[in-house]
Amino acid sequence: QLQLQESGPGLVKPSETLSLTCTVSGGSISSSDYYWGWIRQPPGKGLEWIGSIYYTGSIYYNPSLKSRFTISVDTSKNQFSLKVFSVTAADTAVYYCAKIQQLRYYYYMDVWGKGTTVTVSS
Amino acid sequence: DIQMTQSPSSLSPSVGDRVTITCRASQSISSCLNWYQQKPGKAPKLLIYAASNLQSGVPSRFSGSGSGTDFTLTISNLQPEDFATYYCQQSYSTPPLFTFGQGTKLEIK
Repeated sequence: QLQLQESGPGLVKPSETLSLTCTVSGGSISSSDYYWGWIRQPPGKGLEWIGSIYYTGSIYYNPSLKSRFTISVDTSKNQFSLKVFSVTAADTAVYYCAKIQQLRYYYYMDVWGKGTTVTVSS
Repeated sequence: DIQMTQSPSSLSPSVGDRVTITCRASQSISSCLNWYQQKPGKAPKLLIYAASNLQSGVPSRFSGSGSGTDFTLTISNLQPEDFATYYCQQSYSTPPLFTFGQGTKLEIK
C-alpha cells in the first residue's frame, strides 16, 4: 500500500528558506498515472494547493501564490520536495504531500501524508 | 482562476439526520469536483471523486451529485464519526490546477 511521509524542520526563521521532502513508499514515484502535490493549511484555516509535479519533472504551481515556491522530484530516491524562499509568519502551516491520481481527465488526491507542522518564528 | 464557494460554512445536525453541503464553481468545471473529509489534527481523506464516484472504503451513506457549476455532498443517516470539516475541490484543467472550497464544519448539536 502506497504511503507518503513528509520530513523537514519544524521551525524556520523569517527570511530563510524552508525545505520539505516527501518520501513515497510502497510504490513508484515514476508511475505515469500519478502526479504528486503539496498542500498547506495555516492554523485554523482551510486547505491551499501549492503545486504539483509529474515524475518527468513537469511542474504546475498555484497561480494565486507568489513565485517563492519550488517543487522538484528525485526519482532515484522516490522523493519529491518543496522549497519556500524568504518565509514569513504567513507561511506557518501544516504542510501535506499527496498522491494525485489521474483517471482519464479526472484528478484527485487519494493518498495523503500525515502532514508536518512548520512554524516561522525568530 | 476558478473560485469555489461552499455553503453553509457550518452546520449543527443531529445523529441520524440527512445533511447536504453545496459547492458552487465560478465557471463550469464539468464533473471535475472532489470531496474530502478532515478531522482535527488529521490529513484530509478523499470521499468522492469526479462529482459522484465513491472512493473505495467510504461508507455508502456518502454521495455526491452535480455537474457544471453546482455540486452537492449528501450524508444520509449521519453518524457520530461524520462530525468533521468537509472540503470541495475542483480539478478542471489538464494538467490539473486545484482549488479548494473554504470548508463546511459539521458540529455536534
